[in-house]
Amino acid sequence: EAGVTQSPTHLIKTRGQQATLRCSPISGHTSVYWYQQALGLGLQFLLWYDEGEERNRGNFPPRFSGRQFPNYSSELNVNALELEDSALYLCASSLDGIAEAFFGQGTRLTVV
Amino acid sequence: AQSVAQPEDQVNVAEGNPLTVKCTYSVSGNPYLFWYVQYPNRGLQFLLKYITGDNLVKGSYGFEAEFNKSQTSFHLKKPSALVSDSALYFCAVRDGGYQKVTFGIGTKLQVIP
Repeated sequence: EAGVTQSPTHLIKTRGQQATLRCSPISGHTSVYWYQQALGLGLQFLLWYDEGEERNRGNFPPRFSGRQFPNYSSELNVNALELEDSALYLCASSLDGIAEAFFGQGTRLTVV
Repeated sequence: AQSVAQPEDQVNVAEGNPLTVKCTYSVSGNPYLFWYVQYPNRGLQFLLKYITGDNLVKGSYGFEAEFNKSQTSFHLKKPSALVSDSALYFCAVRDGGYQKVTFGIGTKLQVIP
């Protein structure tokens, strides 16, 4: 069974540009979570989608946004990139809002 | 608001010795607790969870964790550490079902040969 897949693996953008990160959950999983892992800051919760709806949002500015598609895959968009947005962005999926989450390998975003 | 604390940035233990990685939490409802491990340049791997039932939970790779409601703790343990256990360990909590999952800052475990 395929795990959570994220693309691209690495992404280099210039300050002010937009970045789009993609995530495909495990088959059958309806919940998708996005986390930012910056050096020394642990995992910071970004967004949670379930059944196509945004269920919760972390303490990030509105330029971080996303959506979940009918096939439960998800996209994270970061507008007006800043240098401090450089981080590993992790996507996870779970069967529902109770079960444990399974993580993808992440997208390493570098803003220069 | 829910929160998780991992009081130790790093834990060093000799190979073959027992290990403990500490975690305390704060929730308003019933806690759903998780442990994950992250190896370098990899995503997080699920180790174990506590939802309800026995306070001692057994998970992958010989790890276990003990839920202590009075101390609001969920410490990760292993009877005999392996060098290959060296990694970053994250504790996480969900405040009841259908809530977001909050992670601790992580504890680096170093097992010394």
